[in-house]
Amino acid sequence: EAQVTQNPRYLITVTGKKLTVTCSQNMNHEYMSWYRQDPGLGLRQIYYSMNVEVTDKGDVPEGYKVSRKEKRNFPLILESPSPNQTSLYFCASSTGLTDEQFFGPGTRLTVL
Amino acid sequence: QKEVEQDPGPLSVPEGAIVSLNCTYSNSAFQYFMWYRQYSRKGPELLMYTYSSGNKEDGRFTAQVDKSSKYISLFIRDSQPSDSATYLCAMSDSGGSNYKLTFGKGTLLTVNP
Repeated sequence: EAQVTQNPRYLITVTGKKLTVTCSQNMNHEYMSWYRQDPGLGLRQIYYSMNVEVTDKGDVPEGYKVSRKEKRNFPLILESPSPNQTSLYFCASSTGLTDEQFFGPGTRLTVL
Repeated sequence: QKEVEQDPGPLSVPEGAIVSLNCTYSNSAFQYFMWYRQYSRKGPELLMYTYSSGNKEDGRFTAQVDKSSKYISLFIRDSQPSDSATYLCAMSDSGGSNYKLTFGKGTLLTVNP
């Protein structure tokens, strides 16, 4: 089944404790992206990647890191999480930017 | 002015009603227009995709793009309770270094049986 998977689905952590949210797709897509979704602010892009080893900042990259060492994986790293990073995070992938983006199920992160 | 404006609602309609959802935008370079549907506790899923101006119909759903007015719409005919979801407009120009999809904030729709 073609899908985007994210892990963990739910995470509660404390300020400053490094964490990684994994994202994997099995559709051989080149384009991958991370979004955060907050009430009243909608979906905002954090980082995107157009291919292996090619990443760039989206609208709200501060406090996040990404890497794209393999085509299928695009982890999101929070080196020192803060409470304002409490949010619902989505990973998405597509063949290209203007093609349908397939979203993962989301990761609900709470930073205390 | 934000790049994409979308009335967040919420919008509540009776079953069978015609629903109109809208977005306005400011970036005249946008060429690709999409509507995503997001059910509660799920990721968004593509519903409609339109390139440039015009109409596109798929079953009970019709997407319209008016580039001259920088205005896009999604119409849902004979709305069903299963249409209850958040609807997000999204758009892109895919040009230059701006490789991103810009989303509206989403409109929460409830269709009451």
